[in-house]
Amino acid sequence: ETGVTQTPRHLVMGMTNKKSLKCEQHLGHNAMYWYKQSAKKPLELMFVYSLEERVENNSVPSRFSPECPNSSHLFLHLHTLQPEDSALYLCASSQVDTNEKLFFGSGTQLSVL
Amino acid sequence: AQKITQTQPGMFVQEKEAVTLDCTYDTSDPSYGLFWYKQPSSGEMIFLIYQGSYDQQNATEGRYSLNFQKARKSANLVISASQLGDSAMYFCAMREYSYQAGNKLTFGGGTRVLVKP
Repeated sequence: ETGVTQTPRHLVMGMTNKKSLKCEQHLGHNAMYWYKQSAKKPLELMFVYSLEERVENNSVPSRFSPECPNSSHLFLHLHTLQPEDSALYLCASSQVDTNEKLFFGSGTQLSVL
Repeated sequence: AQKITQTQPGMFVQEKEAVTLDCTYDTSDPSYGLFWYKQPSSGEMIFLIYQGSYDQQNATEGRYSLNFQKARKSANLVISASQLGDSAMYFCAMREYSYQAGNKLTFGGGTRVLVKP
């Protein structure tokens, strides 16, 4: 069982659809993150949840809505996306108050048509 | 200003040879951490090696070593005895740490490595 699991692996959606990305971590961590990886751009931090509270929102458009119901699960709700939102969305987790590394999932490759 | 710079967009390396991937960073924080991640075509970011700003010795993890030059603000990754499975994207990242937000990593643009048989 991998440490951080993301579903689905691939998602194709129209601009009027509503979908959700799911992330689950089995590492006992208490912080979770969403990153966006677009072609030819560095990874961009989108959201950070620490102890189930959102502590970071890097000027992300409101069409992206995160949810962290507990320390093991993280969702990214998508609605009325734009084609430029097509990217690889990576989830990660870590343990707050240590210097430990982030553990990443395999990502969801999103295509917006 | 970009905090993490990887100047090599792509590199070829012969199998069994060593390769050095460049990374420079910019921070005024005396306490920071530097990471290298590997991203194969499957998409997952795989942790390779970590160097803390106060670590006296360069970090090593198997075939990976980090050439940390603090005064130059560089943290180059050296992969020795390259293998075909090393073909991937490699990202340098810098940690900014806060209690509330945990480890926030800022990533460089990456270097694509292709190992030739």
